[in-house]
Amino acid sequence: AQTVTQSQPEMSVQEAETVTLSCTYDTSENNYYLFWYKQPPSRQMILVIRQEAYKQQNATENRFSVNFQKAAKSFSLKISDSQLGDTAMYFCASRIQGAQKLVFGQGTRLTINP
Amino acid sequence: EPEVTQTPSHQVTQMGQEVILRCVPISNHLYFYWYRQILGQKVEFLVSFYNNEISEKSEIFDDQFSVERPDGSNFTLKIRSTKLEDSAMYFCASNLRVDQPQHFGDGTRLSIL
Repeated sequence: AQTVTQSQPEMSVQEAETVTLSCTYDTSENNYYLFWYKQPPSRQMILVIRQEAYKQQNATENRFSVNFQKAAKSFSLKISDSQLGDTAMYFCASRIQGAQKLVFGQGTRLTINP
Repeated sequence: EPEVTQTPSHQVTQMGQEVILRCVPISNHLYFYWYRQILGQKVEFLVSFYNNEISEKSEIFDDQFSVERPDGSNFTLKIRSTKLEDSAMYFCASNLRVDQPQHFGDGTRLSIL
């Protein structure tokens, strides 16, 4: 079975600080993809970053980067120089290669305070 | 940038009634999905649709649910006889290829009374 777990229901940091959101997953497959989606209060989920499991190098997208630890099945998201617009619900998700469905974690509500 | 659009944003329906949720995926996308999120719970996969047929579905997607692409632009989710536990936010998503990220709509909040 494929599961994704986010153990931090809520987090709050000051603007410009760095914040790390945790995610662990479980799968018996070797080939899979991991994602972080952001859902601002306007509700539309937007892809933040993705990681292919076969790539050892951690993905980065501007201020967003991941720490992918395959052996530990851990996939954390680091947001550097956080901005007020980063306030959102963040979902970690996985997809097995060859499958179509995304499996989501419970989400972490992140608040960036001015 | 093209978006997935969903209507209505909020639907209130009496238990036992049929409801149809509508989605317009991004125009050149070929794969379509429905997910739901019960309040306070995870986003759950319901069904994926490709080439005019269901390609994958979860155990949640039972005989009460159906999907359809009635024309070249809409993708609908029908719940035949709604139950209280169908109350949730329903998200539509689409992508051009399976290995590309799924683009999500804003969701439809379904409230069953």
